[in-house]
Amino acid sequence: RKEVEQDPGPFNVPEGATVAFNCTYSNSASQSFFWYRQDCRKEPKLLMSVYSSGNEDGRFTAQLNRASQYISLLIRDSKLSDSATYLCVVNGGRGSTLGRLYFGRGTQLTVWP
Amino acid sequence: DAGVTQSPTHLIKTRGQHVTLRCSPISGHKSVSWYQQVLGQGPQFIFQYYEKEERGRGNFPDRFSARQFPNYSSELNVNALLLGDSALYLCASSLLTGDYNEQFFGPGTRLTVL
Repeated sequence: RKEVEQDPGPFNVPEGATVAFNCTYSNSASQSFFWYRQDCRKEPKLLMSVYSSGNEDGRFTAQLNRASQYISLLIRDSKLSDSATYLCVVNGGRGSTLGRLYFGRGTQLTVWP
Repeated sequence: DAGVTQSPTHLIKTRGQHVTLRCSPISGHKSVSWYQQVLGQGPQFIFQYYEKEERGRGNFPDRFSARQFPNYSSELNVNALLLGDSALYLCASSLLTGDYNEQFFGPGTRLTVL
């Protein structure tokens, strides 16, 4: 079983739409959770960290459910510039995997005019 | 401030050859991690170094090795290249090691093995 499972999409939505991405993780010891954005042939860049209480950054809202080991990202009022691959990321937790990041395969989003 | 830098940006090798990839972390960052990203997949952890010591190794064969220098820069070496080693190799730096330190990624080295 993979550490992080993520629906690869693709998601094709019109401008202004609301879109939601989900992922699940297998390591209950994981302590930190993130969404990264990756543009075509570029490096991943941190979009936002995810906290148990849920957090919002402008049009982006992230949620974490530790009991279900489930992470979500909601994008409201989609812009053309949101087109990218969104990577769900969790850390390794304690012990030998401390500090390493585990990535999902990414969900591809295309926003069309 | 300069971000993470990697060299070269692109590389073409043939099967059986070896390759050395280089990474310079953000100034002041002491930890460097290496990831492999195969097309269509998320990055996969290869190594983490902190203060010149290996702190973690992913599920990669012994053909992969790395080291970190006193100035915190790092090299990733891959011997006896296989076609399946073709990927984007990403270096990430963080201030310290551990789970709560944000990792900043470099632009990557795109390796093609023919």
